[in-house]
Amino acid sequence: GNSVTQMEGPVTLSEEAFLTINCTYTATGYPSLFWYVQYPGEGLQLLLKATKADDKGSNKGFEATYRKETTSFHLEKGSVQVSDSAVYFCALSDQRGYSTLTFGKGTMLLVSP
Amino acid sequence: DAGITQSPRHKVTETGTPVTLRCHQTENHRYMYWYRQDPGHGLRLIHYSYGVKDTDKGEVSDGYSVSRSKTEDFLLTLESATSSQTSVYFCAISEMSNSYNEQFFGPGTRLTVL
Repeated sequence: GNSVTQMEGPVTLSEEAFLTINCTYTATGYPSLFWYVQYPGEGLQLLLKATKADDKGSNKGFEATYRKETTSFHLEKGSVQVSDSAVYFCALSDQRGYSTLTFGKGTMLLVSP
Repeated sequence: DAGITQSPRHKVTETGTPVTLRCHQTENHRYMYWYRQDPGHGLRLIHYSYGVKDTDKGEVSDGYSVSRSKTEDFLLTLESATSSQTSVYFCAISEMSNSYNEQFFGPGTRLTVL
């Protein structure tokens, strides 16, 4: 079956530091890949997505590239802000008509001033 | 923001009592989902619906049932709540107009079973 593995947290960074959160996946076929973000006390919001190999998703300064050869979709940001403190979830969806999302366990990011 | 509401937002109940959580959408999306979120587990799918009266089980469906009699409402029922069902429950919706399954999430319901 499908699975997503992401690095355990918390990841603690100072403001303006470079961020990488690793995500690898196991899936058959050609899944779509997502990063969701959850701010404290809120539901999940889609941060970015990529639907085919070598696609780069980007939003709000975050980027992730769909690497089929390494089955990875690592999240990066060049300069984090305190407001980026949240839990980040990597997820995949296969290409069936009403496929469901498989989530990683989430990585908490804490950014200090 | 997608029009998704969940009720109640917080609930405390006792072991053995029935509990129903409601998810309501104003987007007319076809697909609706119930997840639970627990520390160390991320989000796990309980049940989902692909149309009115059409539902299927997810990864952790034991102890839960669902119903969808209208497009806009998806109900999650715990027939006899147990302490292991203490969790935060999220509803999500999606519409397969795109080639990928982008889901939009509600604000969550925090359930405590004593």
